[in-house]
Amino acid sequence: NAGVTQTPKFQVLKTGQSMTLQCAQDMNHNSMYWYRQDPGMGLRLIYYSASEGTTDKGEVPNGYNVSRLNKREFSLRLESAAPSQTSVYFCASSDHRDRAYNEQFFGPGTRLTVL
Amino acid sequence: KQEVTQIPAALSVPEGENLVLNCSFTDSAIYNLQWFRQDPGKGLTSLLLIQSSQREQTSGRLNASLDKSSGRSTLYIAASQPGDSATYLCAADSGSARQLTFGSGTQLTVLP
Repeated sequence: NAGVTQTPKFQVLKTGQSMTLQCAQDMNHNSMYWYRQDPGMGLRLIYYSASEGTTDKGEVPNGYNVSRLNKREFSLRLESAAPSQTSVYFCASSDHRDRAYNEQFFGPGTRLTVL
Repeated sequence: KQEVTQIPAALSVPEGENLVLNCSFTDSAIYNLQWFRQDPGKGLTSLLLIQSSQREQTSGRLNASLDKSSGRSTLYIAASQPGDSATYLCAADSGSARQLTFGSGTQLTVLP
């Protein structure tokens, strides 16, 4: 049981390049999330998917797109990377429809640098 | 908009000391509050989740309390150990979107 996995672990891009961050979970969770973590800013939600087939914007969605490929996988795409997108990206998943019990489980993160 | 604050930003204590980490939030209409641990260069590990109807939750040497009326949560760590050194984050689940609002964390160092 690997939990939440993310690939790649590290990535360096040049401004304007595109890339896709991959996330998968093996806990049969319905909901999945993408966060970014920046020094002094805490973690902020980029996009989330409450269930397979649905996606919604979070706090900082500009410059990103997402795809909920199936119940297990949720990808984050940067179409034209900018230096402001240099960050650590975390994927998370959770299962309970009752939000009082909605514990989120996080992956190990992808460290992205945009030059 | 929910805002979550953690003070202090950093804390250093000698081994064996009992300590309290603080978390405050502005919107008391929360579904739950979670505490996480983050080691350098690693992901977040969930420590405790307190439902909005609960006052506290315990796991081993950790005890988290929740006071919605005052907008505060505390994480109590008993008999601290060097292995407890990490950044501790609290996060509130609130609002119409399924999102956690995080504090900036308290970086804890336990000295041998």
